[in-house]
Amino acid sequence: QKEVEQDPGPLSVPEGAIVSLNCTYSNSAFQYFMWYRQYSRKGPELLMYTYSSGNKEDGRFTAQVDKSSKYISLFIRDSQPSDSATYLCAMSATGGGNKLTFGTGTQLKVEL
Amino acid sequence: GAGVSQSPRYKVAKRGQDVALRCDPISGHVSLFWYQQALGQGPEFLTYFQNEAQLDKSGLPSDRFFAERPEGSVSTLKIQRTQQEDSAVYLCASSLFREQPQHFGDGTRLSIL
Repeated sequence: QKEVEQDPGPLSVPEGAIVSLNCTYSNSAFQYFMWYRQYSRKGPELLMYTYSSGNKEDGRFTAQVDKSSKYISLFIRDSQPSDSATYLCAMSATGGGNKLTFGTGTQLKVEL
Repeated sequence: GAGVSQSPRYKVAKRGQDVALRCDPISGHVSLFWYQQALGQGPEFLTYFQNEAQLDKSGLPSDRFFAERPEGSVSTLKIQRTQQEDSAVYLCASSLFREQPQHFGDGTRLSIL
């Protein structure tokens, strides 16, 4: 069993929808949680970086961390076709500068 | 430069050849990481440098893989006697220091024939 589980999708939603992306993990040592967006043939781009349980909001994006359930989520409001990409959750035990463990990635398509 | 730069973007090699992949991190970033990303998978950790010191190489899949960062800036990942299973995208990431988030380059797509 992988340390980080993520539904690979694909997930298809209409423009304007609220998107929910999720990851579960098994390693209780993970303390830092990140969401990256990856377009085809490009490198991962950092979207959200959080520490500890709770919510963090940045524009249309909200990240949630529930350490007690070992569950993290990313919500995208008012989704746009430009949001179509693969979304990767990542986590580390001692900070973003330590080695990251990634989920498989969820492929998202936002349709007009 | 403004971001992490990797070269070449694409590399095709015959099985058994040696390859070298280059990473130019963001200027001033102390930490540098290499990851391997197979098709349809998330990146997997290979190795980590703090300045010129290689502090973690636990993810390197075999002794055919070797990485260096001799002056604490540019890094090279070398793969000797390439095998077909080495075909993947190799990503480099850097961070200002250990506790800061990592920023990725666009990777080198390696195909072994």
